[in-house]
Amino acid sequence: DAGVIQSPRHEVTEMGQEVTLRCKPISGHNSLFWYRQTMMRGLELLIYFNNNVPIDDSGMPEDRFSAKMPNASFSTLKIQPSEPRDSAVYFCASTYSYGTGHGELFFGEGSRLTVL
Amino acid sequence: AQSVTQPDIHITVSEGASLELRCNYSYGATPYLFWYVQSPGQGLQLLLKYFSGDTLVQGIKGFEAEFKRSQSSFNLRKPSVHWSDAAEYFCAVAPGGWGKLQFGAGTQVVVTP
Repeated sequence: DAGVIQSPRHEVTEMGQEVTLRCKPISGHNSLFWYRQTMMRGLELLIYFNNNVPIDDSGMPEDRFSAKMPNASFSTLKIQPSEPRDSAVYFCASTYSYGTGHGELFFGEGSRLTVL
Repeated sequence: AQSVTQPDIHITVSEGASLELRCNYSYGATPYLFWYVQSPGQGLQLLLKYFSGDTLVQGIKGFEAEFKRSQSSFNLRKPSVHWSDAAEYFCAVAPGGWGKLQFGAGTQVVVTP
């Protein structure tokens, strides 16, 4: 079975440019999470969706960041305009959530973003 | 404040030796607890989890973890490490059972011949 698929795997862009990261969760999963990993701050939850609805976006750094999940099989994380401090590895993860809990989070291989 | 702490940033262990990675959490109630492993350039893979019940949890790749409520700890162990265990290990908690997964800072494990 295909796991969580992220694209692009690597992105190098210049400051001020728009960046769009994409994620395809595992089929049948109803919750999707975006994490950011940096040396300084470790793994941080940016936003998570349940049944395509954003539940908590308190981790989104600022208005330059936005995330959408138009359907159960696709999500995007957009940064506009990008800044060098946005350089990080961005992970997408999905799981099946039920009433009081959720199963194992399955992570994609990440998108490494470098903003020059 | 709620937190999860991995006191050891880096551990070096000889192949065949035992390994223990420490994790402490600070929450009002016992959260759901997890250990993940990240190999270089890869995503995170779940090793094991604790929700309730038996406090000694068995995971994949020969790992186990013990939940100790009195110490607010969830330490990961492996009796005999293999070179392929070299990776970064993350303890994580999910307060309230689901939703946000909060990760520790990670412990880098180096395995020497």
